Amino acid sequence: EDKVVQSPLSLVVHEGDTVTLNCSYEVTNFRSLLWYKQEKKAPTFLFMLTSSGIEKKSGRLSSILDKKELFSILNITATQTGDSAVYLCAVVYGGATNKLIFGTGTLLAVQP
Amino acid sequence: GAVVSQHPSWVICKSGTSVKIECRSLDFQATTMFWYRQFPKQSLMLMATSNEGSKATYEQGVEKDKFLINHASLTLSTLTVTSAHPEDSSFYICSARIGEGSYEQYFGPGTRLTVT
Repeated sequence: EDKVVQSPLSLVVHEGDTVTLNCSYEVTNFRSLLWYKQEKKAPTFLFMLTSSGIEKKSGRLSSILDKKELFSILNITATQTGDSAVYLCAVVYGGATNKLIFGTGTLLAVQP
Repeated sequence: GAVVSQHPSWVICKSGTSVKIECRSLDFQATTMFWYRQFPKQSLMLMATSNEGSKATYEQGVEKDKFLINHASLTLSTLTVTSAHPEDSSFYICSARIGEGSYEQYFGPGTRLTVT
């Protein structure tokens, strides 16, 4: 059965801390891995990772994929209260339709 | 760019009635759109893949006669929840893919459906 597992399920940190969110997957015909941030409404796109070992960066956020060990991490440095959200990992798999399977998400709460 | 809208953003309906939700890609054409539902504190579950000009492909366990999907144009897909029941209350989100070979999906703001 195809699955995407994220850990931890929830995390509480203080402003300025660095956090690492984990995503592991088991899917048939892996195509790509995506990270999204979901606040109150729909997810917003953060990163797409297709190749192993190539770090993607956007400001204080960065992410990397390991296709051999089947996992990805999302790092957030110098966290701010605005980073509080659910972070979703999704894997593109399958045939022509390139469907997404989502992990359960990590709820991040950044306290002042 | 890559903006997806949904309408309505929230709806309350009585049990037994039908509700239509629209999903539009505002600044691009989307041959493929996806419909998800999300229960509180849970992740997104794919319901169906909507292809312009053809029948939707439903995920296992999703009743196609209850959740009618129409993708009549390259910028519009609709989801109709027929004979809604309280257990259909959920957050429904659509997404659109820019190109056939694209992996990225852009999400609409979601529709909160409450069936009383």
